[in-house]
Amino acid sequence: NAGVTQTPKFQVLKTGQSMTLQCAQDMNHEYMSWYRQDPGMGLRLIHYSVGAGITDQGEVPNGYNVSRSTTEDFPLRLLSAAPSQTSVYFCASSLTGRSNQPQHFGDGTRLSIL
Amino acid sequence: GENVEQHPSTLSVQEGDSAVIKCTYSDSASNYFPWYKQELGKGPQLIIDIRSNVGEKKDQRIAVTLNKTAKHFSLHITETQPEDSAVYFCAASVLGADGLTFGKGTHLIIQP
Repeated sequence: NAGVTQTPKFQVLKTGQSMTLQCAQDMNHEYMSWYRQDPGMGLRLIHYSVGAGITDQGEVPNGYNVSRSTTEDFPLRLLSAAPSQTSVYFCASSLTGRSNQPQHFGDGTRLSIL
Repeated sequence: GENVEQHPSTLSVQEGDSAVIKCTYSDSASNYFPWYKQELGKGPQLIIDIRSNVGEKKDQRIAVTLNKTAKHFSLHITETQPEDSAVYFCAASVLGADGLTFGKGTHLIIQP
């Protein structure tokens, strides 16, 4: 199994551009989430979904949109990129629709905003 | 909301010695405490977790202890090996709440 797959692995954007970070899982997991990781900050929750058609905000949702039209995919959209969004983004999934279950992480997308 | 503090930020130990990383949490409703290992360029990987109805859990060289009264939990790695070098994160979750709250990480260095 591929597990959690994130694309692209690296991306450079200019301020104001938009883009979508892709996340797909092949484990039929209900729960999916997005985190950002900044130096010395640990991981912070951006958005999460407890199932197809259901999304909610995490700790740092501003500037990001998500949707969950299928169980497998959970894309993260940056509407108008800002330098403060330079970070490493991780997608995670777990079997049931709760965060208190083992989370499976992808290998991340490293995003630079110039 | 939940706040998780992790110490130390860097830990250097001799190969074969033990390493201990400590975390404290603020929300007494937290009931799930995982530990993740992150290698350079990779995503976090779950290495062990514990729930609030258990005081200790062990998996070969790795163990986690939980003190609910004091609201702290610790990761213990015995007989450390070079491949244990990585960044380790603790986290906490409240049942039904929105995601995990992570500590800021510990860079574990195993000296040969």
